[in-house]
Amino acid sequence: GQQLNQSPQSMFIQEGEDVSMNCTSSSIFNTWLWYKQDPGEGPVLLIALYKAGELTSNGRLTAQFGITRKDSFLNISASIPSDVGIYFCAGSNTGNQFYFGTGTSLTVIP
Amino acid sequence: DVKVTQSSRYLVKRTGEKVFLECVQDMDHENMFWYRQDPGLGLRLIYFSYDVKMKEKGDIPEGYSVSREKKERFSLILESASTNQTSMYLCASSLYRNQPQHFGDGTRLSIL
Repeated sequence: GQQLNQSPQSMFIQEGEDVSMNCTSSSIFNTWLWYKQDPGEGPVLLIALYKAGELTSNGRLTAQFGITRKDSFLNISASIPSDVGIYFCAGSNTGNQFYFGTGTSLTVIP
Repeated sequence: DVKVTQSSRYLVKRTGEKVFLECVQDMDHENMFWYRQDPGLGLRLIYFSYDVKMKEKGDIPEGYSVSREKKERFSLILESASTNQTSMYLCASSLYRNQPQHFGDGTRLSIL
């Protein structure tokens, strides 16, 4: 199965800092998703992207569908302690299956 | 809100046992999925189902089977559990195939 390259693997940042992470694929995707997983819980959908170049925000989170359709980016502005968790990207090209990245673990230091 | 419920949060079983993991969704979704999550590997698809009594293999189906007798319920079966099946198992559902999936809280399974 296909795996997406997600980076960085982990981040340790100070509260208030901005965060950037990205996801790349060897294949073209039609849909990109970003999820967040809190400790001990399942992933929760943050943002869905359906069009190349699309830029979508959800509060302090902004995600972009790369114009090559092989990558996507997630930014978090002014991080707070509750942003701690694992962030996953997921992409789909056929609609039959979503492929998931390996995750970015975010730690926010108060 | 979609609710995906997995029957157990934590489960400990012995090598060779037959293990059942149950998942129920309450939003009449057509599609249901089983993933396993391991550190550094992300989420890997084991099996999925697009309809009652229908199943398709994902990327890592070996050692697993599934059952979907009712639309709302999707069961994952470990025919003869082995230690390398110790993992976090996540169930998900979606209304349409290309729509985002909603996840349960996971079952952390340990095989001793």
